[in-house]
Amino acid sequence: AQSVAQPEDQVNVAEGNPLTVKCTYSVSGNPYLFWYVQYPNRGLQFLLKYITGDNLVKGSYGFEAEFNKSQTSFHLKKPSALVSDSALYFCAVRVHNNNDMRFGAGTRLTVKP
Amino acid sequence: EAEVAQSPRYKITEKSQAVAFWCDPISGHATLYWYRQILGQGPELLVQFQDESVVDDSQLPKDRFSAERLKGVDSTLKIQPAELGDSAMYLCASTPGDEETQYFGPGTRLLVL
Repeated sequence: AQSVAQPEDQVNVAEGNPLTVKCTYSVSGNPYLFWYVQYPNRGLQFLLKYITGDNLVKGSYGFEAEFNKSQTSFHLKKPSALVSDSALYFCAVRVHNNNDMRFGAGTRLTVKP
Repeated sequence: EAEVAQSPRYKITEKSQAVAFWCDPISGHATLYWYRQILGQGPELLVQFQDESVVDDSQLPKDRFSAERLKGVDSTLKIQPAELGDSAMYLCASTPGDEETQYFGPGTRLLVL
């Protein structure tokens, strides 16, 4: 069965600095990888996904993520963080022809002015 | 932009009472999911529907939880009787038949006293 690890419970960055939120995965087969963001008392909002093709995926709000097959990672990045990026970020994985989506435990990102 | 609708947004109930949550997926989305998200954790799948049929309910505590999607459109998740440990956010998501991305509703936050 597939699984996702988000090794950092909390990431703190200063506004304007680059940010990275880490994600590693384990699957049997080719992974479909996703990042979602959750604001307080809200559902999850889709940011970006990797299905196939270019390893660098660009998504909403200036976020991007790089699929690294050898390291089984899919880290979320943004060149310049905003205070409004402060939220809970979830990485998720599933495999082709299997709707079983597994989510990580989440990483709380705090961007300080 | 079309969204997944959920109601109520918040529900407080006493243990042993019955509660019900409603979800209306994005129009035309054949697949519907119910997730439970305990505070500090990622969402965990409870049940998946394809049209009106249950595809996966292996993680649904069937002694107290039930879900239906009678006409293959909106869905109801019921808990009877509610227990203290059921306090969580209940999220509904949907996908079109041929897409990988799950689109989430705002969730129902349940507090069982």
